[in-house]
Formats: sequence, C-alpha cells, structure tokens
Amino acid sequence: AQSVSQHNHHVILSEAASLELGCNYSYGGTVNLFWYVQYPGQHLQLLLKYFSGDPLVKGIKGFEAEFIKSKFSFNLRKPSVQWSDTAEYFCAVKIWGSGNTGKLIFGQGTTLQVKP
Amino acid sequence: DAGVTQSPTHLIKTRGQHVTLRCSPISGHKSVSWYQQVLGQGPQFIFQYYEKEERGRGNFPDRFSARQFPNYSSELNVNALLLGDSALYLCASSLTGTDSYEQYFGPGTRLTVT
Repeated sequence: AQSVSQHNHHVILSEAASLELGCNYSYGGTVNLFWYVQYPGQHLQLLLKYFSGDPLVKGIKGFEAEFIKSKFSFNLRKPSVQWSDTAEYFCAVKIWGSGNTGKLIFGQGTTLQVKP
Repeated sequence: DAGVTQSPTHLIKTRGQHVTLRCSPISGHKSVSWYQQVLGQGPQFIFQYYEKEERGRGNFPDRFSARQFPNYSSELNVNALLLGDSALYLCASSLTGTDSYEQYFGPGTRLTVT
C-alpha cells in the first residue's frame, strides 16, 4: 500500500536555526507532493506544492522543498526559523492512476517547537 | 472570499448514535473530500465527491457514508458510532476532482464519542 513517512515526530529548535524535515513516500508512479502546516488553533494550510518542472519549489513564509525522485523524497527546509513557525507540519502525496482519484495520503506529521 | 466552512465545530455523541457533519466548499469548487484526523496522526482519506458522484473511498467501514448536493456542499454521515470514531473530521475542497489542483481544508468538526 502507498504510504508517506515523516522521519521526525517532534523537533525542537532555537530561533534562527535551520530546519529540515524529512518526507519519503512509497510509490513508483506519478505523484504530486505537498507540505501543509497546522498552526495552533488553526486549520491546515498549504505551504508549498510540487506538480512538475523544477524540483526545488518555494512556498510561503520562506519555506522551500526539494523533490528527489530517485530517493522518493520531498524534504522541507527553511534557512532560519522563527518562533511563529511553531506548528505541526504534514507531508502529503497525491497519487495518480487507476483507483486513485486524487486522494491525498498524509504522513503522521512533525511537531516543530521553536524556542525564542 | 470565504474559505471552506464546516458545521458544527464541536459535537459530543454517545456510542451507537449517528452523526451528520456538513461542509460548504469554496465558491466555484466542485470537489469535496473528507478526512479523519485522529489525535497525533495525519489525516486519513474517507471519501471524495465530484459533481455529486463518489469518486474515491478510503478504507472505512460502511457505517461511513457521504453525499454531495447540487450546490456542491456535502454531508458526512456516520452510523452506530464507536469510541474510536472520536476524531477531527476535515473537509477539503478543490476546483475539480482529478486535475492537479490543491485541496483547501476547512477548520474541521471535532467529534467526541462517549
């Protein structure tokens, strides 16, 4: 079965530290890739997405992610985190093909805590 | 423009009861998907509807059902509630059901089954 794995369940960083959250998926076909963020008390919001083209995609609030097809990975990065980045981050994959009508498969999420 | 709206915000039900959750998509969006998010986990896909037809179903029992109305709003129904159904139920809308359009999520309905 297709799955998405996020390597870090809970990450604690100090402000200005660099961030990298890992995401791997298990599917050999065509995929669309997403990172969603859920700030405390708010709903899921799209951070960035990859559909095709340049594998390095930039999102909102200084986040970027790189799609490495050979590694089935889509890691999220930010050079310098802020306290306001404290949130839960979800990697999600949309799989195309028979029987997969665009449903999103989510990883289990990574809780990021940024200390001021 | 208004985002995806869901009602109610919170709900407490007893085992064995049934529940109806409602979702209104973003104006112009014709596809609605439902997800269940249990505490500490990522959302799990339940259903997708597009143009009032079911286009996808996740690994959930038949106690779960849904429908989409002509105005593209949607209802999720859960019968014979179990304690394990306690979760945040998320609705997401997108322009179409099968194209490469991102899904926009609503705030969710927090269901507690006692």
